[in-house]
Amino acid sequence: EAGVTQFPSHSVIEKGQTVTLRCDPISGHDNLYWYRRVMGKEIKFLLHFVKESKQDESGMPNNRFLAERTGGTYSTLKVQPAELEDSGVYFCASSQETRTYEQYFGPGTRLTVT
Amino acid sequence: GQNIDQPTEMTATEGAIVQINCTYQTSGFNGLFWYQQHAGEAPTFLSYNVLDGLEEKGRFSSFLSRSKGYSYLLLKELQMKDSASYLCAVRPYGGRRALTFGSGTRLQVQP
Repeated sequence: EAGVTQFPSHSVIEKGQTVTLRCDPISGHDNLYWYRRVMGKEIKFLLHFVKESKQDESGMPNNRFLAERTGGTYSTLKVQPAELEDSGVYFCASSQETRTYEQYFGPGTRLTVT
Repeated sequence: GQNIDQPTEMTATEGAIVQINCTYQTSGFNGLFWYQQHAGEAPTFLSYNVLDGLEEKGRFSSFLSRSKGYSYLLLKELQMKDSASYLCAVRPYGGRRALTFGSGTRLQVQP
């Protein structure tokens, strides 16, 4: 079974540019999550999809971040325009509807804004 | 608010036992997770506790005391490949599935 995949693995952009990150969850997982880790800090929750619906977007930092999951399969996270403080590692995770809802993480996208 | 504390770094010897502690103060509680993360890789699920007590899974065990807001991860028969960061994460009460993570404990296993 393929795990959670993310693309690209690294992205370097200039302040003010736009970047789109993609996440492909494990097949059959209705729940999809975005997290990020900025330098020296803990991993922080951004938002949670159930199928194509945003279940919880309480962690989204501001309206420069837009997440979509059309069709309930893969998801994209767009940052527009990017700021220096957006640099970090963006993780995607997915889970099934089980008792524990353990989340399976992708390898992350390292975003550097210069 | 949410606050999860764990030691920043630990060092242990190959073949030994190490215990990584995690204390939490969260606005609700619906389970505690431990993840292992090697540098540059995805966090991988290790264990889940929602009731008090010890959960054992091979060389790894995890303990939870809800009344004390405390958990630990116990690694036995340490191997060099166990050198990694260990992340403690809490899921709050209610329908929210979002995990709140601690900063992680970087474990270095020495020969």
